Amino acid sequence: GENVEQHPSTLSVQEGDSAVIKCTYSDSASNYFPWYKQELGKGPQLIIDIRSNVGEKKDQRIAVTLNKTAKHFSLHITETQPEDSAVYFCAAIKAAGNKLTFGGGTRVLVKP
Amino acid sequence: DAGITQSPRHKVTETGTPVTLRCHQTENHRYMYWYRQDPGHGLRLIHYSYGVKDTDKGEVSDGYSVSRSKTEDFLLTLESATSSQTSVYFCAISAGLAGGNEQFFGPGTRLTVL
Repeated sequence: GENVEQHPSTLSVQEGDSAVIKCTYSDSASNYFPWYKQELGKGPQLIIDIRSNVGEKKDQRIAVTLNKTAKHFSLHITETQPEDSAVYFCAAIKAAGNKLTFGGGTRVLVKP
Repeated sequence: DAGITQSPRHKVTETGTPVTLRCHQTENHRYMYWYRQDPGHGLRLIHYSYGVKDTDKGEVSDGYSVSRSKTEDFLLTLESATSSQTSVYFCAISAGLAGGNEQFFGPGTRLTVL
């Protein structure tokens, strides 16, 4: 089955700096890669996703890149703000199924 | 939360008692999922449904059963709760390939088994 690894497990950045979270996946058939943000006491919220036919996608201060050859994808948050503090999860899924496999999560702390 | 509600939101129960958690959606999505979230383990799939009366096991299905008699409702049952089932449970929905495989999560149910 699919295996998704996520690094780092914790990330502390100064407000205004950039944050980068990296994930690797094992199944080359995976073709959809969402990112979720989870705030304390809430459910995960989809913030951005990328499909295997695209190398990069951007939405305001967040961007995701995908390297299919190396089987890794990354989340980039620029100009971080205190409200970006949360746990972020990456995930992967194959077209033939609908079962997401999640990475272990990254706790991001943005220090003012 | 994308038209997803979970009930109850919090529950404390004793070992050996049956527990049923409910997920309700208003999006008419085909797929529904139950995950549990534990420190150090991230989100793990328990069971999922790909249509009314169509369900399948996830990676941590032992001790759990599910039922889906209507499109909008997906029930998770712990027949005899154990302390290892203390966790936060999340329901998710998806329109599947037709909707781009996006999954949306509910607010969660915190279950404590004493």
